[in-house]
Amino acid sequence: QKEVEQDPGPLSVPEGAIVSLNCTYSNSAFQYFMWYRQYSRKGPELLMYTYSSGNKEDGRFTAQVDKSSKYISLFIRDSQPSDSATYLCAMRGNTPLVFGKGTRLSVIA
Amino acid sequence: GAVVSQHPSRVICKSGTSVKIECRSLDFQATTMFWYRQFPKKSLMLMATSNEGSKATYEQGVEKDKFLINHASLTLSTLTVTSAHPEDSSFYICSAPIGGSNQPQHFGDGTRLSIL
Repeated sequence: QKEVEQDPGPLSVPEGAIVSLNCTYSNSAFQYFMWYRQYSRKGPELLMYTYSSGNKEDGRFTAQVDKSSKYISLFIRDSQPSDSATYLCAMRGNTPLVFGKGTRLSVIA
Repeated sequence: GAVVSQHPSRVICKSGTSVKIECRSLDFQATTMFWYRQFPKKSLMLMATSNEGSKATYEQGVEKDKFLINHASLTLSTLTVTSAHPEDSSFYICSAPIGGSNQPQHFGDGTRLSIL
């Protein structure tokens, strides 16, 4: 089993939809959880950063971490065409950052 | 705005050429920077951890003589791909944490390297 599993998609939704992106992981030592957005031919951009379990909200974005299930989610409300990108989950304990493969999202106007 | 600057953004060169990529932290000091490689539709693969004033730490399978890393100042790390060959063609990205190693990493915009 890979350390971090993420459905690569592609995921296509209409503008205004709520998007749910998820990752599962196997290493119970992971404590720091991040979501990055990557546009084509660009570096990843940090969207959300969470320590341990719980929810965090920032504008249209909500990150959830469930350590008991080893499952993290990113929700995007009122999705916009500009949200079209690849979304990467990333996590670590006292180890280098481990990334998911990324989910490619297209928001159709 | 960007907090990590990477240069150049695109390199095309002949096989056998050595290529240097720069990664700069803007308005903050980075004792540690990270170098990643990303293949199309694949995730980021950590190549090495660059440490200011000391040797870089390379991940298993990464040739240290092939990918030379220098972190000579608190705001600059360089990756030199020596005697590059077509199989070295890839997207190379650097990152640095702001405010300490436990803080999340911020990434540069990457360098697309194409070896002919």
